[in-house]
Amino acid sequence: AQSVTQLGSHVSVSEGALVLLRCNYSSSVPPYLFWYVQYPNQGLQLLLKYTSAATLVKGINGFEAEFKKSETSFHLTKPSAHMSDAAEYFCAVSEGYQKVTFGTGTKLQVIP
Amino acid sequence: NAGVTQTPKFQVLKTGQSMTLQCAQDMNHNSMYWYRQDPGMGLRLIYYSASEGTTDKGEVPNGYNVSRLNKREFSLRLESAAPSQTSVYFCASIGDGRVLTGELFFGEGSRLTVL
Repeated sequence: AQSVTQLGSHVSVSEGALVLLRCNYSSSVPPYLFWYVQYPNQGLQLLLKYTSAATLVKGINGFEAEFKKSETSFHLTKPSAHMSDAAEYFCAVSEGYQKVTFGTGTKLQVIP
Repeated sequence: NAGVTQTPKFQVLKTGQSMTLQCAQDMNHNSMYWYRQDPGMGLRLIYYSASEGTTDKGEVPNGYNVSRLNKREFSLRLESAAPSQTSVYFCASIGDGRVLTGELFFGEGSRLTVL
């Protein structure tokens, strides 16, 4: 069965600092991995995805994530946080057809 | 582009009342989903529909029913609402070319409170 674990329900960073949001997955087959972002009172939107083409994946708004099979991780990073990055971020895994499993989410606070 | 549209956006119910959440997508997607979002629990799949005329249970189907009315519309019904169903409900869909990769398109959510 597939699952994801997001370490830290809340993360605070200063504006301009590195953003690191952690995600570890469990899957019995090579997975598809995703990061979604949710701004207040909105639905989720895709930030980036890993589908085995490249281990370092670049997404929108300067975010990127690296797939590390040996560590079963897919951590999300951004070199310099911006106030507009404040949101909730969800890691998700799919083993293929139909089913996507989400993590519990990490709320990112950016301090001016 | 409207994408995925959910109605209503907000609803307050009393225990035992019934209601239907509506979802429509204009992207010609075959697959549609209903999730609920609760603090600290992420998104949990309630039901999904792989295509018009088919529905399947997800992780937390108890207390809900669904109808895939046509290719565009997928409704979620609470027959007898309970306080445990207080949540934010999201409808989502996947385009045919993205089914295997699980890339979802979400509506803005329906916030339901059951008193």
